[in-house]
Amino acid sequence: QTVVTQEPSLTVSPGGTVTLTCASSTGAVTSGSYPNWFQQKPGQAPRALIYSTSNKHSWTPARFSGSLLGGKAALTLSGVQPEDEAEYYCLLYYGGAQVFGGGTKLTVL
Amino acid sequence: QVQLQESGPGLVKPSETLSLTCTVSGGSISSYYWSWIRQPPGKGLEWIGYIYYTGSTNYSPSLKSRVTISADTSKNQFSLKLSSVTAADTAVYYCASGEAFTMIRYWGQGTLVTVSS
Repeated sequence: QTVVTQEPSLTVSPGGTVTLTCASSTGAVTSGSYPNWFQQKPGQAPRALIYSTSNKHSWTPARFSGSLLGGKAALTLSGVQPEDEAEYYCLLYYGGAQVFGGGTKLTVL
Repeated sequence: QVQLQESGPGLVKPSETLSLTCTVSGGSISSYYWSWIRQPPGKGLEWIGYIYYTGSTNYSPSLKSRVTISADTSKNQFSLKLSSVTAADTAVYYCASGEAFTMIRYWGQGTLVTVSS
């Protein structure tokens, strides 16, 4: 069974920069895994941020960016705002099947 | 912009079949990929499966034996059936969609389904 691993929690100061990563138990994450990233705040449905590694949706703030980094998918937040405090999930594709990461709880402190 | 709304019973008895419907507005179900995703209370997201309007489906290997996703183009709806449910199937169930099977763009607000006698 494929496992997708994210940092359980990260803390960042307002205005700072933080990178969240997403690793696959099957090996290096590539563009062929079409990494997606989602933000979820308490009591709300997830909101899509990034698709196909680095493509933003029309509503995605410019401070969010996606990339591949050291064999993992990465989500970087530059100039973090207090409203960015949330849970972040990645989603990877495996030939049709899809697997979510366990999520990263980002605290802005 | 596509909007999605889940509907269905909030309580299902163990061993019975969970049935949910997602109503699509602001777009036609005869395009896009239509997915179901769930989230147990206090836990992470789990992909259940998707359907393309042609009827092509893909399911999570761990749920495949119990899941059926179907679409009704005349009603602009798609549905989830999960059989032989147990307490472990208690979760918020979300419907979602995207232009390709490699992306999810829109989410419904989610509906809590509790499995209990």
